[in-house]
Amino acid sequence: NAGVTQTPKFQVLKTGQSMTLQCAQDMNHEYMSWYRQDPGMGLRLIHYSVGAGITDQGEVPNGYNVSRSTTEDFPLRLLSAAPSQTSVYFCASSYTKDLGYTFGSGTRLTVV
Amino acid sequence: DAKTTQPTSMDCAEGRAANLPCNHSTISGNEYVYWYRQIHSQGPQYIIHGLKNNETNEMASLIITEDRKSSTLILPHATLRDTAVYYCIVRASSNTGKLIFGQGTTLQVKP
Repeated sequence: NAGVTQTPKFQVLKTGQSMTLQCAQDMNHEYMSWYRQDPGMGLRLIHYSVGAGITDQGEVPNGYNVSRSTTEDFPLRLLSAAPSQTSVYFCASSYTKDLGYTFGSGTRLTVV
Repeated sequence: DAKTTQPTSMDCAEGRAANLPCNHSTISGNEYVYWYRQIHSQGPQYIIHGLKNNETNEMASLIITEDRKSSTLILPHATLRDTAVYYCIVRASSNTGKLIFGQGTTLQVKP
């Protein structure tokens, strides 16, 4: 098992550009989530999904879109990047809602 | 989900047990206690979770008080590699999988 794979690992965007952060897991996990972590801060939940076709908003969803067309993939789309979205983004997955989540290694995004 | 309170930081000597406390005085009967840690710049790592009974795995032990208002994560023989931010999270079983992180405790293991 590769676990939770996030791509790219690093990205620099210009203000106003759009991009998609990829997250894939090969563990047949139903539950997946996206977090952002600003420098020196804790993790904040952006969006989460409880299965293919089902997504919901977390604590800080504005400026981000998600979709879950397959169990394996949960991409995070930045619609129009802003400097305030400079952060490290983590994707996580879990087999059930009561078990622990497995996290990816993160995508470090800088918006200039 | 219940709110948790953790000390901002703690130190521990290498080789000694690290005892990390968490207060969750408003916890409900169907809420689990989860512990995660985040080593610098890495993704968080799940450690352990429990509902009522004490739990132990290869990484740590979780002691939950009888009234469930507080818990302690125990790392039995801390190493330098255990230096990390440790998060205590309370989440209801009925919760749809949403996991909300607080500020956590920064544990510094010293030689």
